[in-house]
Amino acid sequence: DGGITQSPKYLFRKEGQNVTLSCEQNLNHDAMYWYRQDPGQGLRLIYYSQIVNDFQKGDIAEGYSVSREKKESFPLTVTSAQKNPTAFYLCASRETGRNNSPLHFGNGTRLTVT
Amino acid sequence: GESVGLHLPTLSVQEGDNSIINCAYSNSASDYFIWYKQESGKGPQFIIDIRSNMDKRQGQRVTVLLNKTVKHLSLQIAATQPGDSAVYFCAENINFGNEKLTFGTGTRLTIIP
Repeated sequence: DGGITQSPKYLFRKEGQNVTLSCEQNLNHDAMYWYRQDPGQGLRLIYYSQIVNDFQKGDIAEGYSVSREKKESFPLTVTSAQKNPTAFYLCASRETGRNNSPLHFGNGTRLTVT
Repeated sequence: GESVGLHLPTLSVQEGDNSIINCAYSNSASDYFIWYKQESGKGPQFIIDIRSNMDKRQGQRVTVLLNKTVKHLSLQIAATQPGDSAVYFCAENINFGNEKLTFGTGTRLTIIP
């Protein structure tokens, strides 16, 4: 089945540690995205990548980093510089060959930092 | 900045009835709208989308209506089932191509058996 796989589903870290969230897609989509979801708020864009080896900051990129070495993979690192890292993180991808295509989401990683 | 909002944070509907979830947007330049369904602990699932050059689009048991005059979007779900219980939220794309969807906060739909 084609889709987006995020792992792990739950992640726990101590404050001050960097942590990397995995996102893999087999939809052959060029564009990939990372969003953060907090209770009572809409999804907020962290980083996105429209093509391999290129990525752009979203609205809340501070304290995060990404890489896009392969089309299928777009890992997100939550660094110790992120002030409030506990959240539900969602990865998405989109077909860019046509206009107005929707985002397809993975099932998320819930990160808890204590 | 621009925002997408929802009129009601929660909605309870009897099983078998129709439900309507509303969404207001504030930017008249928005040209593409999407409805997503999110079940607990899962990622958002695409339901239906609509372009600004349309005012209605139908899918399986769902209909999206777009009223550009009052900047209003609605999702109608026919003959609701228990599996329809979820959070529904809309998203808008302002000036498509800037890769930045704006998401609403969501409405929780509960189906009463």
